[in-house]
Amino acid sequence: KNEVEQSPQNLTAQEGEFITINCSYSVGISALHWLQQHPGGGIVSLFMLSSGKKKHGRLIATINIQEKHSSLHITASHPRDSAVYICAVTTGNQFYFGTGTSLTVIP
Amino acid sequence: GAVVSQHPSWVICKSGTSVKIECRSLDFQATTMFWYRQFPKQSLMLMATSNEGSKATYEQGVEKDKFLINHASLTLSTLTVTSAHPEDSSFYICSAIAGGYQETQYFGPGTRLLVL
Repeated sequence: KNEVEQSPQNLTAQEGEFITINCSYSVGISALHWLQQHPGGGIVSLFMLSSGKKKHGRLIATINIQEKHSSLHITASHPRDSAVYICAVTTGNQFYFGTGTSLTVIP
Repeated sequence: GAVVSQHPSWVICKSGTSVKIECRSLDFQATTMFWYRQFPKQSLMLMATSNEGSKATYEQGVEKDKFLINHASLTLSTLTVTSAHPEDSSFYICSAIAGGYQETQYFGPGTRLLVL
């Protein structure tokens, strides 16, 4: 069993839709990261959070430490949001990665 | 934001040769750099953690004699794939942090390696 599970694995949405990607983990963590990987391979760190909620533009990330669960929300989705979104957690000296959610936003 | 570069961005080599990949933090001092590999349609797999001036820590199953890592300065880490084989063909990505593991990771653009 993976330490980090993401769902869904693949997601197709119409432009403008509200999107949610979920991440559950089984280890005690000091921080959770949401990463975005574009088709060319480049990776950008979107959020790093250890509690509560963070917002950046149309992206919102939440985490519930007690439930060991995090969600990444995209409001008013756009084709340029099409990418693979990866959830990663750190225990302080170890990283664990989810398998990623491939998002396609159709115009 | 902080910038991490990788060189080369892609490389094709013959089986048996060695390939060196550089990872540089351009505008900050990276206390720790990480090396990942990624196969198509799969997530990142951490290979090793590299701290400046000390030996790299390799993940289980990663051959340290095959994947040589050197972190000679606070802005440069290198990964050398020795005696490359076709199964080493992959996408290699580095990332860097300026502080502890709770800091934001800054990723390089990746290096695509194809071993013929």
